[in-house]
Amino acid sequence: NAGVMQNPRHLVRRRGQEARLRCSPMKGHSHVYWYRQLPEEGLKFMVYLQKENIIDESGMPKERFSAEFPKEGPSILRIQQVVRGDSAAYFCASSKWGGPGYEQFFGPGTRLTVL
Amino acid sequence: GQQLNQSPQSMFIQEGEDVSMNCTSSSIFNTWLWYKQDPGEGPVLLIALYKAGELTSNGRLTAQFGITRKDSFLNISASIPSDVGIYFCAGPNNNDMRFGAGTRLTVKP
Repeated sequence: NAGVMQNPRHLVRRRGQEARLRCSPMKGHSHVYWYRQLPEEGLKFMVYLQKENIIDESGMPKERFSAEFPKEGPSILRIQQVVRGDSAAYFCASSKWGGPGYEQFFGPGTRLTVL
Repeated sequence: GQQLNQSPQSMFIQEGEDVSMNCTSSSIFNTWLWYKQDPGEGPVLLIALYKAGELTSNGRLTAQFGITRKDSFLNISASIPSDVGIYFCAGPNNNDMRFGAGTRLTVKP
């Protein structure tokens, strides 16, 4: 039973380019969460999605960032026109049920470096 | 929003020693979770606590959910080198998980 999968594991982009991060949840999980982690810090919530729906995007920057979780295929976190401050580790988590209190299982993360 | 404060920020211990770290909040949580993160990896769930006063063990790890629901501690007994990593407490906040800043553990053989 595979865990949460993320790819790529490492991504290097120049300022102004687009970054696309992919996440496949655990089998049987239909709730996906994206977090961002800066060095020496904890994880900060960005967005919570179910299939084809954004449930909560209160942690997502208003511009340049978007997320989707289509009916088929992985969840995608998209960052347009990247800037140096976007450099961070981005983690995806999934859970079987949604809402507070349900255990979330994390992927290995994508480390984004913006040159 | 709910803030989680972890202490200590870092610990340097000798292999075989016991470790204790804790997490406090200014507001009540109904669930406490403890995660461990190895370098270059995502957090892995160690222990989940669902009831105030609950004491739960997972091998050499023991965690307790404080009676006030505003704190939790994690103990590791007889530490080994592979315990090295960052330990995070976390609690649900609306639809997401709120994380502490972590306790970085170093174990010297």
